[in-house]
Amino acid sequence: GEEVAQTPKHLVRGEGQKAKLYCAPIKGHSYVFWYQQVLKNEFKFLISFQNENVFDETGMPKERFSAKCLPNSPCSLEIQATKLEDSAVYFCASSQTGTGDHEQYFGPGTRLTVT
Amino acid sequence: RKEVEQDPGPFNVPEGATVAFNCTYSNSASQSFFWYRQDCRKEPKLLMSVYSSGNEDGRFTAQLNRASQYISLLIRDSKLSDSATYLCVVNRPTGGFKTIFGAGTRLFVKA
Repeated sequence: GEEVAQTPKHLVRGEGQKAKLYCAPIKGHSYVFWYQQVLKNEFKFLISFQNENVFDETGMPKERFSAKCLPNSPCSLEIQATKLEDSAVYFCASSQTGTGDHEQYFGPGTRLTVT
Repeated sequence: RKEVEQDPGPFNVPEGATVAFNCTYSNSASQSFFWYRQDCRKEPKLLMSVYSSGNEDGRFTAQLNRASQYISLLIRDSKLSDSATYLCVVNRPTGGFKTIFGAGTRLFVKA
């Protein structure tokens, strides 16, 4: 599509439950990025993909977070055993290239609330 | 010290004012620079890419000074609708690249 799509818009989970977020990049964009934005506006990079391959996972808390981008499916970000500090808005972005020259287009985000 | 630093704000200005935002980056290998606008916890949207030659889009002018590692955004004739958070975003090559966000500067334009 012409926009990055993210589902669900809102997600509420009890501590210890699993959360799964989805992202469909703009058609033709090969790169997908996941970011976490907590209350004070700070964006934290989590992981990026080039098509279905991990491009950069240096921001990913590996114990509980995992992500995939499979062919012909939306990308997903999964949090096992959520904690209160995982409450944030999770943005997905896509880009045409992996060189950093082009801007990233952001989806509307998924607001995760862990209670 | 953060890799990308912005004016902490908030900026409160009357309609019609000119306002300037500053951003500095610490890594000289940084390659590409952008200003994004974010409204009230919505997704960031690209406002302008920033080039060494400077660029202008209507009331908005962006400048890059690579020697000083400094980026600016000037908004002339502020409108109520300009009220938002302005994010300075820098891409740095890492083999691929890393995107670093500034903390954002909040702008309130008052009638």
